[in-house]
Amino acid sequence: GAVVSQHPSWVICKSGTSVKIECRSLDFQATTMFWYRQFPKQSLMLMATSNEGSKATYEQGVEKDKFLINHASLTLSTLTVTSAHPEDSSFYICSAGDYNRNKNIQYFGAGTRLSVL
Amino acid sequence: SQQGEEDPQALSIQEGENATMNCSYKTSINNLQWYRQNSGRGLVHLILIRSNEREKHSGRLRVTLDTSKKSSSLLITASRAADTASYFCATGLDEKLTFGTGTRLTIIP
Repeated sequence: GAVVSQHPSWVICKSGTSVKIECRSLDFQATTMFWYRQFPKQSLMLMATSNEGSKATYEQGVEKDKFLINHASLTLSTLTVTSAHPEDSSFYICSAGDYNRNKNIQYFGAGTRLSVL
Repeated sequence: SQQGEEDPQALSIQEGENATMNCSYKTSINNLQWYRQNSGRGLVHLILIRSNEREKHSGRLRVTLDTSKKSSSLLITASRAADTASYFCATGLDEKLTFGTGTRLTIIP
């Protein structure tokens, strides 16, 4: 149980295009999902907290207009990297909490590796 | 930055030996968790210890927490090749997690 699916796992795009990443909770409802960014051999940095039916809460220094987050249902959150540039190349990971089990534990997707040419 | 520090950054041991990694943090916490990440993959939750607990066990894992020193340790006993991964501590407060810098563990067969 508590499976989170993230898609795509790998995407290559040209500079200036937009890329959408999906995060789905497969066997539970997730009122809150989280989006992280990870650089090679570094830790995870929280980008934003995604709440179903409301606007996402972004961490300091994260551009809202650059990283659009939509959490339209209890099982799906999306992150759109708009007008991507090479410096946006990174590993993006989503997570969700199953509050029927333990709200403190996050279940992670497998991540999306974004390469912007 | 509120990010925690982990020590060591990298650790290589022989299969069967015990592995210990440490985590220090800076802020108040409700709980501290340890996660494992295999290369290029998402994270898997290993164990959670609450701020009012001092030690917790789960299988081959043993976690300690010292809130006065703002530190925690993860012990993996009788290591296996499959334990090779990066291990992150994460401090929890208000449902958000703040991750440490991670320890890269390599188990030599």
